[in-house]
Amino acid sequence: AQTVTQSQPEMSVQEAETVTLSCTYDTSENNYYLFWYKQPPSRQMILVIRQEAYKQQNATENRFSVNFQKAAKSFSLKISDSQLGDTAMYFCAFMKHNAGNNRKLIWGLGTSLAVNP
Amino acid sequence: GAGVSQSPSNKVTEKGKDVELRCDPISGHTALYWYRQRLGQGLEFLIYFQGNSAPDKSGLPSDRFSAERTGESVSTLTIQRTQQEDSAVYLCASIKLIDTEAFFGQGTRLTVV
Repeated sequence: AQTVTQSQPEMSVQEAETVTLSCTYDTSENNYYLFWYKQPPSRQMILVIRQEAYKQQNATENRFSVNFQKAAKSFSLKISDSQLGDTAMYFCAFMKHNAGNNRKLIWGLGTSLAVNP
Repeated sequence: GAGVSQSPSNKVTEKGKDVELRCDPISGHTALYWYRQRLGQGLEFLIYFQGNSAPDKSGLPSDRFSAERTGESVSTLTIQRTQQEDSAVYLCASIKLIDTEAFFGQGTRLTVV
């Protein structure tokens, strides 16, 4: 069974600075996807960034980038130039690649990020 | 609509009553998922629909929980004889064929008193 661990329940960062959120996972699968989702107080879960395990290059989306270390089963999220609107819960999630049509997500417990002015 | 829609947004019910939660997925998304989010915890998978069949119901916590889906459209999650431990946010997500991005609704916050 797959598990996802986020070891930082809460973090804070000053506006315009950089913050890194940690995520580790456990799986025996070789091909899979990893995701970071953001959940603001509105409860709307929004995809921030995703990584395909067979791609060595780290994914980037504007101010968001990941450090994917497959051997270490680590998938951290770096937020650069933090903005007040980045304040939210951030969840790391895992999806099997060869799951047929079943693309259910396995989730970490989340990290609450506060961006301070 | 443009996104996944869930109703009601909030529901308070008395212990022992039945509740029905609704999810309207994005049009054309064949896969639909229900998750439960308890306070301070991550999301728990409940059930997966491909079209109107449910190949994976492994996350349903008890036989008080059931779900249906009409074609590739609306899904309802029913909780019978609600208990206080059922209090949570219930999130619905849909995914289009040959994609991995799950689009979520805003959830239903269920409070059992």
